[in-house]
Amino acid sequence: GDSVTQMEGPVTLSEEAFLTINCTYTATGYPSLFWYVQYPGEGLQLLLKATKADDKGSNKGFEATYRKETTSFHLEKGSVQVSDSAVYFCALRRPGGGNKLTFGTGTQLKVEL
Amino acid sequence: NAGVTQTPKFQVLKTGQSMTLQCAQDMNHNSMYWYRQDPGMGLRLIYYSASEGTTDKGEVPNGYNVSRLNKREFSLRLESAAPSQTSVYFCASSDMGQITGELFFGEGSRLTVL
Repeated sequence: GDSVTQMEGPVTLSEEAFLTINCTYTATGYPSLFWYVQYPGEGLQLLLKATKADDKGSNKGFEATYRKETTSFHLEKGSVQVSDSAVYFCALRRPGGGNKLTFGTGTQLKVEL
Repeated sequence: NAGVTQTPKFQVLKTGQSMTLQCAQDMNHNSMYWYRQDPGMGLRLIYYSASEGTTDKGEVPNGYNVSRLNKREFSLRLESAAPSQTSVYFCASSDMGQITGELFFGEGSRLTVL
């Protein structure tokens, strides 16, 4: 079945450091890929998405590129801020699966001054 | 602009007790979902409702029932709670007319079963 694997956290960075959170997936066909973010005490919200190979999703300084050859969708940000502290979830949507998503386990990011 | 509203936010139950988690959305979305979030497991789909009048099992439906009361409301019921159902439960909704993968989540309901 479909699955999403994320790097384990927590990831602790200093403000202005470069961020990478790894995500790889297993799925049949050509899934759409997503990053969701969960701030403390809140529900998840969509951060960015990519629907086909080589697409780059971007939002709020975060980027991720859909790499079909390596089945990856790594999240990056050039300079993190304390306000980026949250849990980040990688997810996929299988073609024909409506809006049902398969989520990874989540990676907690802590950014310190 | 409420979005997705879940009640209660916190609940403690004893093993064998029953309860219902309520969810309502005001975005006129067709589809609604219940997920549970556990440490190291991420979010797992319990049940979903693609449209009013339909419900389907997700990945982990055992021990749960759902009711799509109308287009706005989707409830999750635990008939006989077990400690393994201790979790954070999230309701979400999406617009079926737009298969974009964007789900809108509530703030979650933290359930502890003793």
